[in-house]
Amino acid sequence: AQSVTQLGSHVSVSEGALVLLRCNYSSSVPPYLFWYVQYPNQGLQLLLKYTSAATLVKGINGFEAEFKKSETSFHLTKPSAHMSDAAEYFCAVSVFGTLTFGQGTILTVHP
Amino acid sequence: ETGVTQTPRHLVMGMTNKKSLKCEQHLGHNAMYWYKQSAKKPLELMFVYSLEERVENNSVPSRFSPECPNSSHLFLHLHTLQPEDSALYLCASSLGTSGDSYEQYFGPGTRLTVT
Repeated sequence: AQSVTQLGSHVSVSEGALVLLRCNYSSSVPPYLFWYVQYPNQGLQLLLKYTSAATLVKGINGFEAEFKKSETSFHLTKPSAHMSDAAEYFCAVSVFGTLTFGQGTILTVHP
Repeated sequence: ETGVTQTPRHLVMGMTNKKSLKCEQHLGHNAMYWYKQSAKKPLELMFVYSLEERVENNSVPSRFSPECPNSSHLFLHLHTLQPEDSALYLCASSLGTSGDSYEQYFGPGTRLTVT
């Protein structure tokens, strides 16, 4: 069975600071990994995905994530936070056709 | 319409009512999903349909009844709900149900309140 752990249910950064949202996964086989973002009162929107090609994946809105097999991690980063990045972020893993989500991390951006 | 749409966006119902949530995808996908999102809980997968056949039912109470008449439409019929069923119900679709084709596209959700 696969699982996802997002470290930190809340992350707060200043505008312009680095954003780092942590995700660790557990899977017995190479997984597909996803990051989704959810703005208030909206559904989830795909930010980026890892599908066993390049380990550094670039997504929308300036986000990127690096797949590190040795650390079983898929952390999400953005060099410079913007106020519009405030939202909840979900990491998800897909193995054998089952998508499992982490508990989510709420990102707050301060002016 | 583009993407995945859900109606209604908000629904308030009593415990004895019967209502239905509707989801429609305009992406040509073959799989559709219902999720429940409650405060302070992970996203819970409720049902999965692939090519209009139900392929997964995660121990969901029978007061929730899904229906998938074709690959573009998905319904969730609700009856005799409990207050703890109040949540955001999200619909999603994907091209398939394995590997990369499992990338899911979500609708905006229906905010359900059971009184």
